[in-house]
Amino acid sequence: DQQVKQNSPSLSVQEGRISILNCDYTNSMFDYFLWYKKYPAEGPTFLISISSIKDKNEDGRFTVFLNKSAKHLSLHIVPSQPGDSAVYFCAASEHMDSNYQLIWGAGTKLIIKP
Amino acid sequence: ETGVTQTPRHLVMGMTNKKSLKCEQHLGHNAMYWYKQSAKKPLELMFVYNFKEQTENNSVPSRFSPECPNSSHLFLHLHTLQPEDSALYLCASSQGVGLGGVTYEQYFGPGTRLTVT
Repeated sequence: DQQVKQNSPSLSVQEGRISILNCDYTNSMFDYFLWYKKYPAEGPTFLISISSIKDKNEDGRFTVFLNKSAKHLSLHIVPSQPGDSAVYFCAASEHMDSNYQLIWGAGTKLIIKP
Repeated sequence: ETGVTQTPRHLVMGMTNKKSLKCEQHLGHNAMYWYKQSAKKPLELMFVYNFKEQTENNSVPSRFSPECPNSSHLFLHLHTLQPEDSALYLCASSQGVGLGGVTYEQYFGPGTRLTVT
């Protein structure tokens, strides 16, 4: 059973508007969450993260929101740009995992329309 | 420049071949990982090495054999693979435990696209 779920396989957004990517998790022991971005023929690249002691983290156009009670996090991109077209992966980890394992979602393909 | 390189980028092999994938990280990290990515599925963690010691083997078939000669290099030796092993194989590294505590961000190589015929 998947512990990290990204229920939207794809999302299409107009350039300049807000993109909202969603991620749900089931393991209440997760306390650190990350978003990665992946272009075709490249490995994933780290985008932004959030610790469970926070409910929001912002970095430029990217903001991640965490709702612990709902076990839900979201990534907001505003304004969306053509270069944001990529697959976005949500990942989660437990602080006590000595192997620093990340549990991954299946990804959401974001398409920014000009 | 991601700091993590993988060779080869593409590999086609028959089911009776033996080949190896190579990964090198130039980031001074202590932990290295092998992942398998199949289409529309989450990244599957295969192996974890921490300070050159294998600390995780997620029920990976023995036809995949990892090797970590030092903290900068990681290999994945392949033999008698099956067509369902065709996938993108990604290597990653992370800082692991340091003076600043654990960091979880992993840095990925570009991957090796493996096709088993």
